[in-house]
Amino acid sequence: NAGVTQTPKFRVLKTGQSMTLLCAQDMNHEYMYWYRQDPGMGLRLIHYSVGEGTTAKGEVPDGYNVSRLKKQNFLLGLESAAPSQTSVYFCASTLLSSYNEQFFGPGTRLTVL
Amino acid sequence: ILNVEQSPQSLHVQEGDSTNFTCSFPSSNFYALHWYRWETAKSPEALFVMTLNGDEKKKGRISATLNTKEGYSYLYIKGSQPEDSATYLCAFLRAGNMLTFGGGTRLMVKP
Repeated sequence: NAGVTQTPKFRVLKTGQSMTLLCAQDMNHEYMYWYRQDPGMGLRLIHYSVGEGTTAKGEVPDGYNVSRLKKQNFLLGLESAAPSQTSVYFCASTLLSSYNEQFFGPGTRLTVL
Repeated sequence: ILNVEQSPQSLHVQEGDSTNFTCSFPSSNFYALHWYRWETAKSPEALFVMTLNGDEKKKGRISATLNTKEGYSYLYIKGSQPEDSATYLCAFLRAGNMLTFGGGTRLMVKP
């Protein structure tokens, strides 16, 4: 099992450009999450999904959209990137609920110039 | 905004020392508390998920306790080793399936 994978690992964008981050898991997990990690801020939840076809907002959803068309994939989109979105993005998944431990991907380092 | 506070922010210990750090969280509407270990350049890995007041969990030399009534959890490491160097995160599960993470305690163990 690959666990949770993220694509790409690194990306540099210019302000206003768009991009999509892909998270994939092969553990048949129901719940998936997108976090961002900034120095001194810890991990903050952007959006999450409790199952295929469902998404919900987290703590810091503005400027991001998500989709979960297939159970194993959770996409995070930036429609018009801003320098404030420079961060490391982590995807995570869990089996049935947030009472279960979360499994994290390796992270995507995004820089917006 | 829920506050999940971890202390200290960083800690330097010698190999063989035992150490502990604290996670404070809201004492009302408790669902669960998670502990994660996060090594540099890697992803966070789960240590414990705790749900009951008075819960104690152990994995090797690492253990954790939970007091939901007063809103704190302690993580203990017995006989610290250099490979224990990492950031230890706690996360409070609140209504709506969302984890709120603390800022972490960065542990450095000197050989």
